[in-house]
Amino acid sequence: GQQLNQSPQSMFIQEGEDVSMNCTSSSIFNTWLWYKQDPGEGPVLLIALYKAGELTSNGRLTAQFGITRKDSFLNISASIPSDVGIYFCAGQDSNAGNNRKLIWGLGTSLAVNP
Amino acid sequence: EPEVTQTPSHQVTQMGQEVILRCVPISNHLYFYWYRQILGQKVEFLVSFYNNEISEKSEIFDDQFSVERPDGSNFTLKIRSTKLEDSAMYFCASSLYREQPQHFGDGTRLSIL
Repeated sequence: GQQLNQSPQSMFIQEGEDVSMNCTSSSIFNTWLWYKQDPGEGPVLLIALYKAGELTSNGRLTAQFGITRKDSFLNISASIPSDVGIYFCAGQDSNAGNNRKLIWGLGTSLAVNP
Repeated sequence: EPEVTQTPSHQVTQMGQEVILRCVPISNHLYFYWYRQILGQKVEFLVSFYNNEISEKSEIFDDQFSVERPDGSNFTLKIRSTKLEDSAMYFCASSLYREQPQHFGDGTRLSIL
């Protein structure tokens, strides 16, 4: 079945540093999504990517949809304490008939030292 | 901003009992989903629902599970006879169209004793 490998599993950084995390897939996706989950809450959408090669920003966050459609990365610039949380990538194969389910990575746990 | 709301936030149930998890998707959305997340593991797809029927279900979604949209606002997940391994966070999500991103509720933590 489709699998997503997300790395790194965890990161511990100093406030102000830049962060990069990525996901790779064994199969092609037509949509890549990045979510953030805070403790006790549901995943919150950060960025959605729909085209191979697409580079999209949301404030200090930048994400790219890989050319091969099998990977994506998320960068966070100038990290701040509220960036703490778990970041998930998710892929969706929108062309597979009614298949709209999201395939999820295991998450990257980010800790920021003030 | 419109939200997906889920109730209860925490449900504790004896093994073998039935449980119903409730969700109110974003009002104009057309596609509805249930996912679960066992502690420390990845989010897993359970079922998608569109036009009052199941679009797709995973192998996890066996005969013990069912979904229903009993009225124009609620979307429920029922587990008929709960097992210990059903303990997890259950997330409801909705999207406006198939291609649109899915928006998630804050989840229901289900604990089976």
